[in-house]
Amino acid sequence: QKEVEQDPGPLSVPEGAIVSLNCTYSNSAFQYFMWYRQYSRKGPELLMYTYSSGNKEDGRFTAQVDKSSKYISLFIRDSQPSDSATYLCAMSSFNTNAGKSTFGDGTTLTVKP
Amino acid sequence: DAGVIQSPRHEVTEMGQEVTLRCKPISGHNSLFWYRQTMMRGLELLIYFNNNVPIDDSGMPEDRFSAKMPNASFSTLKIQPSEPRDSAVYFCASSGGTANTEAFFGQGTRLTVV
Repeated sequence: QKEVEQDPGPLSVPEGAIVSLNCTYSNSAFQYFMWYRQYSRKGPELLMYTYSSGNKEDGRFTAQVDKSSKYISLFIRDSQPSDSATYLCAMSSFNTNAGKSTFGDGTTLTVKP
Repeated sequence: DAGVIQSPRHEVTEMGQEVTLRCKPISGHNSLFWYRQTMMRGLELLIYFNNNVPIDDSGMPEDRFSAKMPNASFSTLKIQPSEPRDSAVYFCASSGGTANTEAFFGQGTRLTVV
């Protein structure tokens, strides 16, 4: 079993929908939780970054971490066609270089106009 | 800054040939990572350098794969001999090296071995 499991998708929603992307993990040492966005034929880019449990909001995006359940989510409100991309969750333990994070396999999202 | 620069963007080669992928990290970053991405296996870390020194190469799949970082501004990933199952997108990423800072990815090299 992988340390990080991500809902596989693909996910297709109409413009304006609320999107929920989810990952579960098994390593209790994970303290840092990241969401990367990867457009087609591009490299991943960091979208959101949270430490430990709780919520973090950035515009239309909200990252949620529940360490007790080992579950993280990314919510996208008022989704736009420009949000169409693959979203990868990533996690790391304390004092681990971000590039050594453990990545989920990604969920591909399509937002239809 | 131009970001992490990888070359070539696309490479098509015949089985058995040597392939060299190149990466220029962001200036000032002291950590460099090589990843491979496939549909089947997702994003896999192959090798990680810190201050030009290989720290963790446990992800390198076989002896056919080798990586070097001769200086702070250049790294190569070599596959010799290449096989069709090596076909993937190879990403280079760099980071500032302090704990938990962002990893910046290049555009990737799409490798096809026929």
